[in-house]
Amino acid sequence: AQSVSQHNHHVILSEAASLELGCNYSYGGTVNLFWYVQYPGQHLQLLLKYFSGDPLVKGIKGFEAEFIKSKFSFNLRKPSVQWSDTAEYFCAVNERRDDKIIFGKGTRLHILP
Amino acid sequence: SAVISQKPSRDICQRGTSLTIQCQVDSQVTMMFWYRQQPGQSLTLIATANQGSEATYESGFVIDKFPISRPNLTFSTLTVSNMSPEDSSIYLCSVVETSFNEQFFGPGTRLTVL
Repeated sequence: AQSVSQHNHHVILSEAASLELGCNYSYGGTVNLFWYVQYPGQHLQLLLKYFSGDPLVKGIKGFEAEFIKSKFSFNLRKPSVQWSDTAEYFCAVNERRDDKIIFGKGTRLHILP
Repeated sequence: SAVISQKPSRDICQRGTSLTIQCQVDSQVTMMFWYRQQPGQSLTLIATANQGSEATYESGFVIDKFPISRPNLTFSTLTVSNMSPEDSSIYLCSVVETSFNEQFFGPGTRLTVL
């Protein structure tokens, strides 16, 4: 069965630190990949997505993610985090032949001011 | 992008009762889904709400416990039946707009079962 693994459950960083959140998926076929963010008390929002083309994807708020097919990975990065990036981040995968999206367990990011 | 509303936004219910959650979308969408997000957990897909036919349930979820209706392309309901404290969770409606190739989420319904 398809699954999504996020390596870190809870990450604490200081402002201006660099961020990388790991995500690996198990499905070997063609997939679409997503990162969602949930700020405290708010809805889930799409941060960025990869469907095809350039494996380095730019998203909102300075986030980017790189799809490495050989590693089944889609890690999220930001060179310099801000206090407002405090949120929970979810990696998600969708098989192209299916409309379901499977989510990872999420990573809670806490930025110290 | 699709705008999704859910009712109620939150509720506190007694064990053994049932609650119906409504999901309304401001445009016709192809796919509608119901998710559960238990405290400290990720989102788990409960079922795909199919317009005009029975919902498609994921492993571990059954129609008797979570009956779903989808009478048209903009509306769906999820009922949590015979509730127990283990059903305390946030229930989220989600839609896929084919034209945008993106999945949108509703604000969620926070359910607490005493």
